[in-house]
Amino acid sequence: DAGVIQSPRHEVTEMGQEVTLRCKPISGHDYLFWYRQTMMRGLELLIYFNNNVPIDDSGMPEDRFSAKMPNASFSTLKIQPSEPRDSAVYFCASSFTDLGYTFGSGTRLTVV
Amino acid sequence: RKEVEQDPGPFNVPEGATVAFNCTYSNSASQSFFWYRQDCRKEPKLLMSVYSSGNEDGRFTAQLNRASQYISLLIRDSKLSDSATYLCFCGDNQGGKLIFGQGTELSVKP
Repeated sequence: DAGVIQSPRHEVTEMGQEVTLRCKPISGHDYLFWYRQTMMRGLELLIYFNNNVPIDDSGMPEDRFSAKMPNASFSTLKIQPSEPRDSAVYFCASSFTDLGYTFGSGTRLTVV
Repeated sequence: RKEVEQDPGPFNVPEGATVAFNCTYSNSASQSFFWYRQDCRKEPKLLMSVYSSGNEDGRFTAQLNRASQYISLLIRDSKLSDSATYLCFCGDNQGGKLIFGQGTELSVKP
C-alpha cells in the first residue's frame, strides 16, 4: 500500500485565493482526519470522518474552511478565502477503527 | 486541564543515556495508546502501540499505568538518530478519534 497520499506537497498562494488540499486515505480505512500544525499552536485536529460522514468539525477554525469526503478514497480541505494566518502544514491521516493513525506527508501551505 | 499532557522538554541527553517520557491522560475510559515520533518538517510516524502489560521493541519500552492514568516511553542507549519529537496518542471511547499530547522534544548529543 502506498500509504496516505496528500497533494500538493507545497502550496504558495496569495491572500484571498481559494486553496484546495487533497487526500487519498489507505484503502480499507474507515476514519479520515485533517490536522493542522504550526510552531505556535502545535498539532490541531480540524475535522474527522467515519465512513465518509463528517463526525466532528469543531476544530475547523471558521467558515472559510470546509472539508468533504465524497467517497472512501478521497477527501478535500478547502480554504476560501485564504489568509496569511492559515499558513501551516496540513496533515491528513487515516485509520481502521482505533488501531492507530497513518499520516500523509503533509501539505506545506504558505499564504502571502 | 488538557486531556493529554506531555512535558514539552526539550530533553537534552548524551549518546548512550537512558531517557524516559511520561504522558498523562484525563479520560479514564481511554482504551488505546500509541507513541508517535515526528522528525523536523516530517509527518508523525507510529513508533509503537502501548499494551496493558507493557511492551518492548529493541531499545524502546512502553508502559501503561491505568491507576495513575499515564503512559511512558523509555529509550535505552539513546542514539543521535533518536532526536525527534515524541507524541502520545490516546483513544477515547468514541471510536477512531485519538486525543494527543503536544509532544516532547528529545535532543541526543554526541
